[in-house]
Amino acid sequence: GENVEQHPSTLSVQEGDSAVIKCTYSDSASNYFPWYKQELGKRPQLIIDIRSNVGEKKDQRIAVTLNKTAKHFSLHITETQPEDSAVYFCAASKGGGSQGNLIFGKGTKLSVKP
Amino acid sequence: GAVVSQHPSWVICKSGTSVKIECRSLDFQATTMFWYRQFPKQSLMLMATSNEGSKATYEQGVEKDKFLINHASLTLSTLTVTSAHPEDSSFYICSATVITGGYGYTFGSGTRLTVV
Repeated sequence: GENVEQHPSTLSVQEGDSAVIKCTYSDSASNYFPWYKQELGKRPQLIIDIRSNVGEKKDQRIAVTLNKTAKHFSLHITETQPEDSAVYFCAASKGGGSQGNLIFGKGTKLSVKP
Repeated sequence: GAVVSQHPSWVICKSGTSVKIECRSLDFQATTMFWYRQFPKQSLMLMATSNEGSKATYEQGVEKDKFLINHASLTLSTLTVTSAHPEDSSFYICSATVITGGYGYTFGSGTRLTVV
């Protein structure tokens, strides 16, 4: 089955700096790669996603890149703010429906220091 | 947007008792529901996948007789933790995909289970 590795497990940055979180996946059939932000005791919140037919996607301060050949994808957060502090999870899936269970990475705890 | 309502949000039960967690899709039909478990400071681990009207598929290491999943309708899936023990204490969360497929995953709000 799919295996998703995520690094680093913790990341501390100064406010205004950039943060990068990297993930690798094992199943070449995976074609959907979402990133989630989770605050303590709450549901994961989708912040950005990318499909396998796209190499990069950007939404304001957040961007995701995908390298299908190397089977890795990364989350980039620019101009970080204290409210970006949370745990971030990457995930991989083969798509919606019965084949589409999301497999999560182990998470990255991001701390943005004012 | 698609909403999944999960109840209860938290529950405390005695060891040996059973607890039922419900997830309802409010404004869409969920053909598939995924159940995850999350221990403190860990990731979401997939427990099982359920499709409406059929038996759930459990991940390796998850006891199907202990974690009973029912997906009797397109809007309701339940997870029952039977004979709960303290080690079952965790955050349980469901996620649904919409009937038309695509790439949408909608999460419930989660259930914090504490077994004493």
